[in-house]
Amino acid sequence: QQPVQSPQAVILREGEDAVINCSSSKALYSVHWYRQKHGEAPVFLMILLKGGEQKGHDKISASFNEKKQQSSLYLTASQLSYSGTYFCGTVAISGVGSYQLTFGKGTKLSVIP
Amino acid sequence: KAGVTQTPRYLIKTRGQQVTLSCSPISGHRSVSWYQQTPGQGLQFLFEYFSETQRNKGNFPGRFSGRQFSNSRSEMNVSTLELGDSALYLCASSPAAGTSTDTQYFGPGTRLTVL
Repeated sequence: QQPVQSPQAVILREGEDAVINCSSSKALYSVHWYRQKHGEAPVFLMILLKGGEQKGHDKISASFNEKKQQSSLYLTASQLSYSGTYFCGTVAISGVGSYQLTFGKGTKLSVIP
Repeated sequence: KAGVTQTPRYLIKTRGQQVTLSCSPISGHRSVSWYQQTPGQGLQFLFEYFSETQRNKGNFPGRFSGRQFSNSRSEMNVSTLELGDSALYLCASSPAAGTSTDTQYFGPGTRLTVL
């Protein structure tokens, strides 16, 4: 089942902050975040493992609340280069005993000068 | 190290035809996954192959099939094309398969248009 992302789209001015949320109805082992710029392939940002740890990457960080099966991606002091569509991918154990990565529909982030 | 390559990059077909897309993973990667991307639906998982075996399959009709060769290259086939099959088809590779921490490395995709 696809995780649910919110908001679907957001417009920011340079320097503003944003939060993108991802929630799942399944028990998760990990949450992945990817960014896709227009006309390009999705690029890995970070992965969060169950345990509620928060990860950071420059001014982009994320958290994972395994009790709520929710993850949030935090973008601080946004830059023009942050524009793109952000996808969360959730990993739950599949029926054949391996793990399957399932992506949400994405959040389109536009940063304007 | 070369990235994931997909061929062809663009394809135009008509309804009823079949199509085969190709994906070459990053050298050393043994897992290949396929995704369909359409506006509003995001990335939908098609299937995953590891060591020439399909390990996971998404909710797509049997018209969508795939295979993996001994050199880890993968092909995806869609038979009896429908208008709704128009999409960007992305291939992703990862070093292993079926772990919760696998990072997917995506190729540029094949843009399929069905007329």
